[in-house]
Amino acid sequence: AAGVIQSPRHLIKEKRETATLKCYPIPRHDTVYWYQQGPGQDPQFLISFYEKMQSDKGSIPDRFSAQQFSDYHSELNMSSLELGDSALYFCASSLGRLIEGEDTEAFFGQGTRLTVV
Amino acid sequence: RKEVEQDPGPFNVPEGATVAFNCTYSNSASQSFFWYRQDCRKEPKLLMSVYSSGNEDGRFTAQLNRASQYISLLIRDSKLSDSATYLCVVKRTTDSWGKLQFGAGTQVVVTP
Repeated sequence: AAGVIQSPRHLIKEKRETATLKCYPIPRHDTVYWYQQGPGQDPQFLISFYEKMQSDKGSIPDRFSAQQFSDYHSELNMSSLELGDSALYFCASSLGRLIEGEDTEAFFGQGTRLTVV
Repeated sequence: RKEVEQDPGPFNVPEGATVAFNCTYSNSASQSFFWYRQDCRKEPKLLMSVYSSGNEDGRFTAQLNRASQYISLLIRDSKLSDSATYLCVVKRTTDSWGKLQFGAGTQVVVTP
């Protein structure tokens, strides 16, 4: 079965550069969540989208922005990168709509490991 | 106050022992509940959904207490491979769609 696809898997950027992370949800999933996990830390919720609109916002810095496109894939844009942005970035997808008989669990991608040097 | 709260642990458990931990949620509109497992630096993976009547999957038992607004996970006969962080996830409904809330995770360390 198709899973959540994230690209790239690894990314190295210099300070003050920009980065774009992509997330392709499981087919038919309309909700996407972004998480940041620093070394030795728990995943921190950044932002989520449902039906191409932002549904919730967490601890996402103003330097970051995200959107969900018409095909439901999502991109996380990160500008003016700082050393502290080095982390594992996870994307998860789920069905936001409640459809009887449908699973509502969220499935995670393998993550993008961003290193800022 | 966070919408979903977990004891971060770590819970240090001897191999073969039983460990249990809870997750509390604050929004009574919460409808669906899940436990995920996350191994070090890997993506969280669904362990089990939590049903109103409670459910069991092998050595794992999940319970839901709606009156006190918490879910629990019990692991029997702990294995070394059970060492991981266990994330509680709560989905609440707003009209026709749901929103997932994640807890910060409970770390379990199974020792020989």
